[in-house]
Amino acid sequence: DTAVSQTPKYLVTQMGNDKSIKCEQNLGHDTMYWYKQDSKKFLKIMFSYNNKELIINETVPNRFSPKSPDKAHLNLHINSLELGDSAVYFCASSQGQPYVHEQYFGPGTRLTVT
Amino acid sequence: KQEVTQIPAALSVPEGENLVLNCSFTDSAIYNLQWFRQDPGKGLTSLLLIQSSQREQTSGRLNASLDKSSGRSTLYIAASQPGDSATYLCAVRPGSGNTGKLIFGQGTTLQVKP
Repeated sequence: DTAVSQTPKYLVTQMGNDKSIKCEQNLGHDTMYWYKQDSKKFLKIMFSYNNKELIINETVPNRFSPKSPDKAHLNLHINSLELGDSAVYFCASSQGQPYVHEQYFGPGTRLTVT
Repeated sequence: KQEVTQIPAALSVPEGENLVLNCSFTDSAIYNLQWFRQDPGKGLTSLLLIQSSQREQTSGRLNASLDKSSGRSTLYIAASQPGDSATYLCAVRPGSGNTGKLIFGQGTTLQVKP
C-alpha cells in the first residue's frame, strides 16, 4: 500500500518538449508539495497546495504549472523543457497546515532533459 | 535568510559504533526541525520531528536534540548497523509567517561497514 506515489519514475525527454508528472497520496492529507532535488542533492520547495489551493509558489519559472484536481492528487506540468530542468522531483504530503506535521515523500521522478 | 548546514558531508564508521550527525541553522527563530533519511534512488523518510518548544525526540536507536539558541541539532544513532547506511537530511521550518517553507541542509551520507 503505497502512501505517496509518483508516475513516471524515470522520464527522459528532449529540450522543448512538454511533460507531466503525476502524484497521488492515499493518506487523507490536506497538503501536498512538489520539491526539486538538483545534482548537488539540494532539496528545494517548488509548490505547496492545501485543500486544492496554491499557498506557496516559489520563484520557479512559469513553465512549471501545478494542478490539483482533488485533495489526493497534485500533478506537475512542465512546458518547453530545458537542460537545467534535469533533476529528481519529489512529491510529498502532510496533514493540516503546511510544514506543521511530518511530511511523507514519494519515491521521486528522475527527469533527464537531453 | 535561513541557511542550514550539515557537517560532515560524509561519514564512514564500523558497525556497532555510536555516532552523531550535526545540523546547524543561522536563524534561531524556527517553528520545528525535522530529520529525514534518504536511501539511494528513493524518496525521503521522516525520522523525527522536533517542535520549537521541545529539546529532544527519540525513536528506537535514534535520538534528536534541538538547541534553538545556538542554532544546532544533533541526530544520535546508537549501535549503528549496515542498514543505517543512507543520507541523512535535516530541515527547518522558519518561525515567521504562516506558510514558512522547509529549508533543507545538503545532508550527511553515512556508510556503516560490517
